[in-house]
Amino acid sequence: QKEVEQDPGPLSVPEGAIVSLNCTYSNSAFQYFMWYRQYSRKGPELLMYTYSSGNKEDGRFTAQVDKSSKYISLFIRDSQPSDSATYLCAMIGTNAGKSTFGDGTTLTVKP
Amino acid sequence: GAVVSQHPSWVICKSGTSVKIECRSLDFQATTMFWYRQFPKQSLMLMATSNEGSKATYEQGVEKDKFLINHASLTLSTLTVTSAHPEDSSFYICSAREPLSVNEQFFGPGTRLTVL
Repeated sequence: QKEVEQDPGPLSVPEGAIVSLNCTYSNSAFQYFMWYRQYSRKGPELLMYTYSSGNKEDGRFTAQVDKSSKYISLFIRDSQPSDSATYLCAMIGTNAGKSTFGDGTTLTVKP
Repeated sequence: GAVVSQHPSWVICKSGTSVKIECRSLDFQATTMFWYRQFPKQSLMLMATSNEGSKATYEQGVEKDKFLINHASLTLSTLTVTSAHPEDSSFYICSAREPLSVNEQFFGPGTRLTVL
């Protein structure tokens, strides 16, 4: 069983929709939770990171962490075609530790 | 955010040759750099962790004699794929971590390697 599970999709939504992306994990030692966006043939770009449980909002993006359920989410409001990409969740257990990545969810936002 | 560059962005080589990929942190000093490999429609696979001035730590199943990593300075790490074969064709991505930002990794744009 993988430490981090992420539905690969693909996920297709109309422009303006609210998108929900999720990851579950099994390692209770994970403390830092990140979301990356990766466009085709490009390196990943950090979108948001959260420490421990709670919510964090940045513009149209909201990251949620529920450590009791070992479940994290990324919400995208008013989705745009430019949001079409693969979204990767990642987690770190301790300071300066290695990141463990999910397999990524491919999102397409149709105009 | 911090900027990480990679060179070359793509390379095609013949089977049996060696290829060197450079990863540079442009506006910060990176004591730790990571090298990943990514196959099409798959996630990032960590190959090794590179610390400046010391030997790289390789993940299980990654051949250290085939994938040579050198982190000679705080802004440069190199990955050399020795005696490359077609199965080594992949997207290689490096990332760097700022010393004071323990949870943020800044990724390079990646290098696409095709071995004929």
